[in-house]
Parts: sequence; structure tokens; C-alpha cells
Amino acid sequence: KAGVTQTPRYLIKTRGQQVTLSCSPISGHRSVSWYQQTPGQGLQFLFEYFSETQRNKGNFPGRFSGRQFSNSRSEMNVSTLELGDSALYLCASSSGRGATYEQYFGPGTRLTVT
Amino acid sequence: GNSVTQMEGPVTLSEEAFLTINCTYTATGYPSLFWYVQYPGEGLQLLLKATKADDKGSNKGFEATYRKETTSFHLEKGSVQVSDSAVYFCALTFFGNEKLTFGTGTRLTIIP
Repeated sequence: KAGVTQTPRYLIKTRGQQVTLSCSPISGHRSVSWYQQTPGQGLQFLFEYFSETQRNKGNFPGRFSGRQFSNSRSEMNVSTLELGDSALYLCASSSGRGATYEQYFGPGTRLTVT
Repeated sequence: GNSVTQMEGPVTLSEEAFLTINCTYTATGYPSLFWYVQYPGEGLQLLLKATKADDKGSNKGFEATYRKETTSFHLEKGSVQVSDSAVYFCALTFFGNEKLTFGTGTRLTIIP
């Protein structure tokens, strides 16, 4: 069974640009969550999607948005990039919602903003 | 709000040494607790979990016991290997909530 895949793996953007990251969950998984990992702030929850609906959102500005498609694939978008958005963005999928369902993480997309 | 506190790293041990990585949490209610491991260049992998007080999670020789009275979930392994070198994250969540709250991570290096 293929794992969670994230594309692209590495990305370099300039301040002010926007970026879209993609996450393909494990087949059959309907829940997708996104996390930002930085050396200063650690791992922080961005949002979660289940059945194409955002179910939970972390404390991030409106520049961060996401969506989920009918095949459960998810994208997150960051507009008007800032230097502080440089991070590893991790996506996780699970077959259901709640702590009893294991979340499987992808390898991440490393975004560098210059 | 909910939070997780892990011991500061990095931690360097010799092969076959005993490992303890401390984790305590602050939360309203009774969360589920997790240990995740991140190997270089990879995403996180679930190592073990416990969903209620006094539960012991175990996997690959690692163990952690959910202690409600001390709000702790310390990770232990009796004899570490070089292949255990990684970053370890303690995390919590609540039933019905997908959001994981992570600790800052502890980098573990095992030297032969």
C-alpha cells in the first residue's frame, strides 16, 4: 500500500509570491491534516479536512488556506509569502477521525522563502 | 490551553544504554498520548500510543506508561541501538479531534 505522498518535496519562493502544496493520502483514507514544522515553533497544526470539509483549524493567519477534493487529495495554499513561512509542511492522513485512528505522515514539503 | 513539555535535547548515548525521554502534559480532561519518531529526511512515524490512564504503549522495544497522577508519558528503552538515532516527539489529542499537540522534540544520537 502506497504511503502518503507530498509534492513537491522542495520549493523555493520569493517573498510576496503564493504557493500551493499537494498531499495524496493513503488509498481509502478520508481525513487529511496539515502541520507546519519550524525550528523555532516546532510542529503546529494548520487544519484538517474530512470528506471535503474543513473540520478543524489551527491558529494561523488567513493567508493559509486549504481544500480537499472528492478523491481525498488535499492542497494547501499560502498567499503573500513571508520569510517566516519557511518551514517543512507535513501532511497526515487517517482512515477516520479521532485518536483511535493512526495518522500516517508524508515526508513533507520543504518550503524556503527568500 | 493544552501543551506538551519534553526534556531538552540533544541526548547522546552509547549503544546498549538505557534510554528515558521525559514528557509531561497539561490538558483539560483526559487526552490520548503518543510518541512519534522522525528519522532524517522523513516524516513522522507513530511509535506507540496510550488512550487512557495506566495504559502502557509499546513497540520496537520502546515503552511508555500513561500516568494521570503525574500527567506524564515518559519514553523508555532498555538497550538502544544506533538505528534508534532520530528525533522523538511526544504528542496529545482528544477523542474526536484530529489535532495533535506536539512537544518540541528530543534529538537522540546513539554512538557505537
